Amino acid sequence: ETGVTQTPRHLVMGMTNKKSLKCEQHLGHNAMYWYKQSAKKPLELMFVYSLEERVENNSVPSRFSPECPNSSHLFLHLHTLQPEDSALYLCASSQVRGSEQYFGPGTRLTVT
Amino acid sequence: GNSVTQMEGPVTLSEEAFLTINCTYTATGYPSLFWYVQYPGEGLQLLLKATKADDKGSNKGFEATYRKETTSFHLEKGSVQVSDSAVYFCALSDPGSSYKLIFGSGTRLLVRP
Repeated sequence: ETGVTQTPRHLVMGMTNKKSLKCEQHLGHNAMYWYKQSAKKPLELMFVYSLEERVENNSVPSRFSPECPNSSHLFLHLHTLQPEDSALYLCASSQVRGSEQYFGPGTRLTVT
Repeated sequence: GNSVTQMEGPVTLSEEAFLTINCTYTATGYPSLFWYVQYPGEGLQLLLKATKADDKGSNKGFEATYRKETTSFHLEKGSVQVSDSAVYFCALSDPGSSYKLIFGSGTRLLVRP
């Protein structure tokens, strides 16, 4: 595998389910990110993990819970989601502060 | 605070037409500037970048020049193809402050045969 991979690519879940999204980067980068992309809305940064800091967007609901066990893996745990959480969830990584980010293909999430 | 403004789309062109997508920014310090492209059903791909004033980024026939005096980073291509149809995002980072990139709202390009 090369670049940034995400699994699953598509996920349909009910509002009472618990699921997790997985991201893995094969680039040796030091920072990883979760973004939410909804139709007709700007790209929303949800979480940042790096060697130096963890940054959270305070507007992200607690039903989204990130986990970063090491510099290559990032998870997004989902529970009791709402239909408005349906979106494309993108993972990205970067080498250093301020450098370009490399994105995975995304997970298309549908909450029913 | 830092921000990026892109022209609203969609931009519709005929094949082989000249493309310009405008991007202006507001930033403190000395940001790096980026253009990303997103094809249908895919994630964002880095198209080109520039790290200092007057730098020109280029890739796959696309170009953009970092203009500090006009705070702009317009994307251009001399002759577009149907395969260039996608959404284009302008973004900036501030190397001095955080890992975060600030993205524009995206401009959809549709190229007709």
